[in-house]
Amino acid sequence: GAGVSQSPSNKVTEKGKDVELRCDPISGHTALYWYRQSLGQGLEFLIYFQGNSAPDKSGLPSDRFSAERTGGSVSTLTIQRTQQEDSAVYLCASSLAGWEMDIQYFGAGTRLSVL
Amino acid sequence: AQSVTQLGSHVSVSEGALVLLRCNYSSSVPPYLFWYVQYPNQGLQLLLKYTSAATLVKGINGFEAEFKKSETSFHLTKPSAHMSDAAEYFCAVTIGGTGANNLFFGTGTRLTVIP
Repeated sequence: GAGVSQSPSNKVTEKGKDVELRCDPISGHTALYWYRQSLGQGLEFLIYFQGNSAPDKSGLPSDRFSAERTGGSVSTLTIQRTQQEDSAVYLCASSLAGWEMDIQYFGAGTRLSVL
Repeated sequence: AQSVTQLGSHVSVSEGALVLLRCNYSSSVPPYLFWYVQYPNQGLQLLLKYTSAATLVKGINGFEAEFKKSETSFHLTKPSAHMSDAAEYFCAVTIGGTGANNLFFGTGTRLTVIP
């Protein structure tokens, strides 16, 4: 079956513009995660959605970052007024249940470049 | 402070040689530990995970890792490297709890296999 799909695969934007990154999780997966992978850094947790529970937003680096998950499926990560330090690969993952109980499946990521 | 340390950002081995990728962590709570592999232009894939069962964990593609609590290590090994093992490998550990925001990734080790 289809894996986790992210779009676009690459995004180049100008400093100060807003961007939206999309994640289509595996059908039926209740949990969805966003991570950021900066050059030379490990993955940095951003946000976690689990079913109908309130999302864990504790990893969002600033109020310029927000994420939604509509209908328990597709998720959008929005970065407002982008800065050069936002340049990174943004990874989405999903799992069938809560992450402790199941494997996370990752998308190929969106490479964001802020000029 | 670094919570997950992968010693060596780049490791090169000859085809057929032993692969050893190191991971050390700091955690006061019995952790969950993971190794992921990332091939070029692909998402991360789970190789193996430790969740308090046997300390020697076998994963896919002939990889295994041993959890050594006294050494706070979870090194990844494979007896004989194949060309197809060339990829980036990430260690991940839960630190300070077992929530999704407690999963920390190392900075990765890029494995090169020399023919």
